Amino acid sequence: GQNIDQPTEMTATEGAIVQINCTYQTSGFNGLFWYQQHAGEAPTFLSYNVLDGLEEKGRFSSFLSRSKGYSYLLLKELQMKDSASYLCAVRDRRNAGNMLTFGGGTRLMVKP
Amino acid sequence: DSGVTQTPKHLITATGQRVTLRCSPRSGDLSVYWYQQSLDQGLQFLIQYYNGEERAKGNILERFSAQQFPDLHSELNLSSLELGDSALYFCASSLDERPSYNEQFFGPGTRLTVL
Repeated sequence: GQNIDQPTEMTATEGAIVQINCTYQTSGFNGLFWYQQHAGEAPTFLSYNVLDGLEEKGRFSSFLSRSKGYSYLLLKELQMKDSASYLCAVRDRRNAGNMLTFGGGTRLMVKP
Repeated sequence: DSGVTQTPKHLITATGQRVTLRCSPRSGDLSVYWYQQSLDQGLQFLIQYYNGEERAKGNILERFSAQQFPDLHSELNLSSLELGDSALYFCASSLDERPSYNEQFFGPGTRLTVL
């Protein structure tokens, strides 16, 4: 199976930087996704990493270290609208199809 | 708007009943996924279909079944409902089934309440 761990909740201040960590255990790693989900709404895609390193996309960046089973999502210049849950999801090549296993999500609260 | 549609948006029913949730994927997407999200379980993968055939199975109960039709829309059938089945049910779609860079687009979800 797969274990995916991320902090349950985080709080940060508007305008600041926050890093949300995700650790995973899988022997067939084949990609890691980050999704943003506002309460009661659908998850929306943020980023994808399959090779080690940093992927930058505007205010959001995602980092992957496959040897450490570790990823983080970095959010810069935080805005109030960034208050949401951030879901880390892993794909395992041992699984059929394109199924993703999601972590429990990190609820981020941005305060003024 | 992801382009994935789900109906109904809300569903309230009683224990023991059966319901059907419907999903239409984005235009051109052949793969459909169903997920269940409850407060204590997070987002759980249930099942994936590709071009009408089952491709992957997750933590789907035997009381639940799904299918994908020739027009690529999918239905998730939940029977003998229990209180614990109350959750948000999301459908997602992607272009194909292969484990390459393959983003899944999520629909708005169906909120099921079992009383």
